[in-house]
Amino acid sequence: GESVGLHLPTLSVQEGDNSIINCAYSNSASDYFIWYKQESGKGPQFIIDIRSNMDKRQGQRVTVLLNKTVKHLSLQIAATQPGDSAVYFCAEREEGNTPLVFGKGTRLSVIA
Amino acid sequence: GAVVSQHPSWVICKSGTSVKIECRSLDFQATTMFWYRQFPKQSLMLMATSNEGSKATYEQGVEKDKFLINHASLTLSTLTVTSAHPEDSSFYICSARPHYGYTFGSGTRLTVV
Repeated sequence: GESVGLHLPTLSVQEGDNSIINCAYSNSASDYFIWYKQESGKGPQFIIDIRSNMDKRQGQRVTVLLNKTVKHLSLQIAATQPGDSAVYFCAEREEGNTPLVFGKGTRLSVIA
Repeated sequence: GAVVSQHPSWVICKSGTSVKIECRSLDFQATTMFWYRQFPKQSLMLMATSNEGSKATYEQGVEKDKFLINHASLTLSTLTVTSAHPEDSSFYICSARPHYGYTFGSGTRLTVV
């Protein structure tokens, strides 16, 4: 299940199940979106990206969905593994050489 | 792939001293680098945009006299935390843009005691 509180929201899933992590963004001018995975004490690790002219993109075991109408982004992880346990951030960017703006993040906890 | 090397990975300093963090793009030229700060259990917050050969652009609320940024070459940007205090203890991460996408340094854990 998912819990939200003063700390990062946490999503707990059973190993082998699919995970869905959601992200709401606010900038309608954003044209590029990325999902990152961050393990404790490390920098963000690229997972998958999507441009605003697409609504779905698939990678290996991961799928990103983009709904520009409601400014919503989701990351789906198939057959979640213990190694997927980490904090996941969505990030958005306006067109050009602009910095990424990160969402609040979700901690994914995989139960073996 | 494009790599950004960040050093040190961790540092402990005394209150009132200064600490320099370096980020190098190893196999590409980075005219722009971005500096982020991350407090425990929080997201990455953009501090400043570092531009080679010109002044950095700071985000609202970030003191430019406290967080000195120097981007003197196309492969090196430095962030110096001056007169550090315990509230500056955080995880600092740099980012640059190779030909495609963004790449991040491994981060620097700063602890001010």
